[in-house]
Amino acid sequence: IAGITQAPTSQILAAGRRMTLRCTQDMRHNAMYWYRQDLGLGLRLIHYSNTAGTTGKGEVPDGYSVSRANTDDFPLTLASAVPSQTSVYFCASSDGAGSYNEQFFGPGTRLTVL
Amino acid sequence: RKEVEQDPGPFNVPEGATVAFNCTYSNSASQSFFWYRQDCRKEPKLLMSVYSSGNEDGRFTAQLNRASQYISLLIRDSKLSDSATYLCVVPMEYGNKLVFGAGTILRVKS
Repeated sequence: IAGITQAPTSQILAAGRRMTLRCTQDMRHNAMYWYRQDLGLGLRLIHYSNTAGTTGKGEVPDGYSVSRANTDDFPLTLASAVPSQTSVYFCASSDGAGSYNEQFFGPGTRLTVL
Repeated sequence: RKEVEQDPGPFNVPEGATVAFNCTYSNSASQSFFWYRQDCRKEPKLLMSVYSSGNEDGRFTAQLNRASQYISLLIRDSKLSDSATYLCVVPMEYGNKLVFGAGTILRVKS
């Protein structure tokens, strides 16, 4: 693994189903983030984690949950998917949690909720 | 006022042209700024960081105007490979997270 990987690459999901998007990084970065990107709105922060064992809410957290059991993994769960959660989801990580730190992004997951 | 605003474009320019994008931000306390590049259907990648009045890297120059609260990105001698979406990124007013602009689309044509 080099950098950040996300799985699945894309998914079509029925409304009401539970879905977990996976994110793994091998850079030993402390901070990790989940964003969604919608046309015309840019990337919006869903949840973040400054270090293993801690998480926080971003700008649009409703309907999503995260966990950070270890440094490398930061899964995002949709407990009961709704069509408005159709989006491209990007996981990112940074060496530190400060705003001066470059964020490295995974390749994204394209999710369609029908 | 939105935290970060960008002209969505698209900017259509010929190869070799000079093009500039502006980005305005609302958090007057912001100290660091970034330009990210995003190719179609790909992830964003850091292009430049701006910590003081500006930064230059080859054909790319980023400038900061704190009084007017905007940053600009200037691309000289445009290449076909410069075609992408350019995202302006500013720290949030509260906390240490980043706010991404919606992006400016650049299309360089031969």
